[in-house]
Amino acid sequence: GNSVTQMEGPVTLSEEAFLTINCTYTATGYPSLFWYVQYPGEGLQLLLKATKADDKGSNKGFEATYRKETTSFHLEKGSVQVSDSAVYFCALSDQSGYSTLTFGKGTMLLVSP
Amino acid sequence: DVKVTQSSRYLVKRTGEKVFLECVQDMDHENMFWYRQDPGLGLRLIYFSYDVKMKEKGDIPEGYSVSREKKERFSLILESASTNQTSMYLCASSSTGWVRNEQFFGPGTRLTVL
Repeated sequence: GNSVTQMEGPVTLSEEAFLTINCTYTATGYPSLFWYVQYPGEGLQLLLKATKADDKGSNKGFEATYRKETTSFHLEKGSVQVSDSAVYFCALSDQSGYSTLTFGKGTMLLVSP
Repeated sequence: DVKVTQSSRYLVKRTGEKVFLECVQDMDHENMFWYRQDPGLGLRLIYFSYDVKMKEKGDIPEGYSVSREKKERFSLILESASTNQTSMYLCASSSTGWVRNEQFFGPGTRLTVL
């Protein structure tokens, strides 16, 4: 079956530091890949996505590239802000049926001033 | 602005009670989903629905049922609540179009079963 593995947190950084959150996946075929973000007390919001190999998703300074050869979709940001503190979820959809998503366990990011 | 709303942000119930969690979306989406979110486990799919009156089991359906009588509304039912159902419950919806895979989430209901 499908699975998503992402690095455990919390990840603790100082403001303006470089961020990487690793995500690898197992799926059949050609899944779509997503990063969702959950701010404290809120539901999940789509941060970025990529639907085919070598696609780069980007939003709000965050980027992730769909690497089929390494089955990875690592999230990066060049300079984090305190407001980026949240839980980040990597997810995939294998394009079958009803667009169900398989999520990783989430990585908490804490950014200090 | 597109929206998924959930009936309660916080809910406290007693063991054995019947519990209804309601979710409404205003985007005319065909698909709706119920997840539970627990620390260290991420999001796990309970049930989903791809059309009115249709439902499919997700990964952890035991102890839950669902109802979808109208396209915009999807209810999660705990027939007899137990303490191990204390969790955060998230509803989501998505379209069956070319951006079919993007799901939109509600704010969540934090349920405590005593």
